[in-house]
Amino acid sequence: GAVVSQHPSRVICKSGTSVKIECRSLDFQATTMFWYRQFPKKSLMLMATSNEGSKATYEQGVEKDKFLINHASLTLSTLTVTSAHPEDSSFYICSALSPSTSYEQYFGPGTRLTVT
Amino acid sequence: QKEVEQDPGPLSVPEGAIVSLNCTYSNSAFQYFMWYRQYSRKGPELLMYTYSSGNKEDGRFTAQVDKSSKYISLFIRDSQPSDSATYLCAMTGRNSGYALNFGKGTSLLVTP
Repeated sequence: GAVVSQHPSRVICKSGTSVKIECRSLDFQATTMFWYRQFPKKSLMLMATSNEGSKATYEQGVEKDKFLINHASLTLSTLTVTSAHPEDSSFYICSALSPSTSYEQYFGPGTRLTVT
Repeated sequence: QKEVEQDPGPLSVPEGAIVSLNCTYSNSAFQYFMWYRQYSRKGPELLMYTYSSGNKEDGRFTAQVDKSSKYISLFIRDSQPSDSATYLCAMTGRNSGYALNFGKGTSLLVTP
């Protein structure tokens, strides 16, 4: 099956710094990737839809200047959390849309961000 | 009202029991219905998907969709301790750009 990787799997950073999370589709090309955020014992909340070569579409309430998304190639999307604060601590998960079915998403393993 | 409602549980059953997990939804434009399994601190893993109404079976898992009632179910037969996880329903359609709308997830514990 299709594989999506995320890096890093876990990161701890200090308040005020920026953190970049990478999402890669390893064996297929993904024109569309999604970024989700998940709080403990909560469902996945869609943050933004990332399309290769164009600006990301952010969900209501998600600050685009704080969560910078870049989808520069068909296999890589990045999420940069700028000027991180403790309330940004969360589990961030990306997914890539299957090019063959157009509705199936393959999820990465997630990145645990802790801001101290 | 959230678009997708799912009882978060927790649900605890003995090994071998039949498990029934359910979701309701409000958006009649949803066309694709999925069930994901998520282990702690891991990304979701697709278990099954169904297009429109109907049943689909895969081994011990059966997914049902009733679009007229806006109700979907996942049944697990002969449940095993390894089935212990959080099960998330998700649905999407062309109108939502195929972005997934998730339920809260139901936490399932299968005890030996």
